[in-house]
Amino acid sequence: NAGVMQNPRHLVRRRGQEARLRCSPMKGHSHVYWYRQLPEEGLKFMVYLQKENIIDESGMPKERFSAEFPKEGPSILRIQQVVRGDSAAYFCASSPPKGGSFRDTEAFFGQGTRLTVV
Amino acid sequence: KQEVTQIPAALSVPEGENLVLNCSFTDSAIYNLQWFRQDPGKGLTSLLLIQSSQREQTSGRLNASLDKSSGRSTLYIAASQPGDSATYLCAVSPYYSGNTPLVFGKGTRLSVIA
Repeated sequence: NAGVMQNPRHLVRRRGQEARLRCSPMKGHSHVYWYRQLPEEGLKFMVYLQKENIIDESGMPKERFSAEFPKEGPSILRIQQVVRGDSAAYFCASSPPKGGSFRDTEAFFGQGTRLTVV
Repeated sequence: KQEVTQIPAALSVPEGENLVLNCSFTDSAIYNLQWFRQDPGKGLTSLLLIQSSQREQTSGRLNASLDKSSGRSTLYIAASQPGDSATYLCAVSPYYSGNTPLVFGKGTRLSVIA
């Protein structure tokens, strides 16, 4: 069972371009979370999705950022018109459907996408 | 608003020492607490998951305790090795639902010197 897969691992964009980050959750997982890690900062929650639904986007900037988790295919975090301040590591995590065990709440993380805006 | 604090921010110890990393959280209404390890430039590896009703969890040389009422958790690493060098992150999940976003501390950066 492959872990959470993120691609690309590294992404360089010029200011004003678009960045698209992809995340394939672990097999059988239906919950996807995106977090951002700025240098010397902790991970900050951005958005929580289930298949075809955004459950919580309270941590995502209202402008330029969007996320989706379609019925088929990976979850996508999209950043339009990137600025230097968007440079960070973006991590995706997944967890299984909520069942009867608390272990169903364990989050598994991908290797991250390191975005550099030049 | 839940806040998670980890002390110390950085720690350097000689190989073989037993050590304790601390995590505190401001709202004791949590569903679970998770400890992670992050190597430089890498993702997060889940180490231990403790449900709010549990007091501790163990995995190999790692032992994590949880005192929910006082808002504290500790990660104990026995007989530290250079391979343990990494950043250790503590994260809590709010009580109202298990599948909710985690709130992270900033981590403790551990260096184990051979």
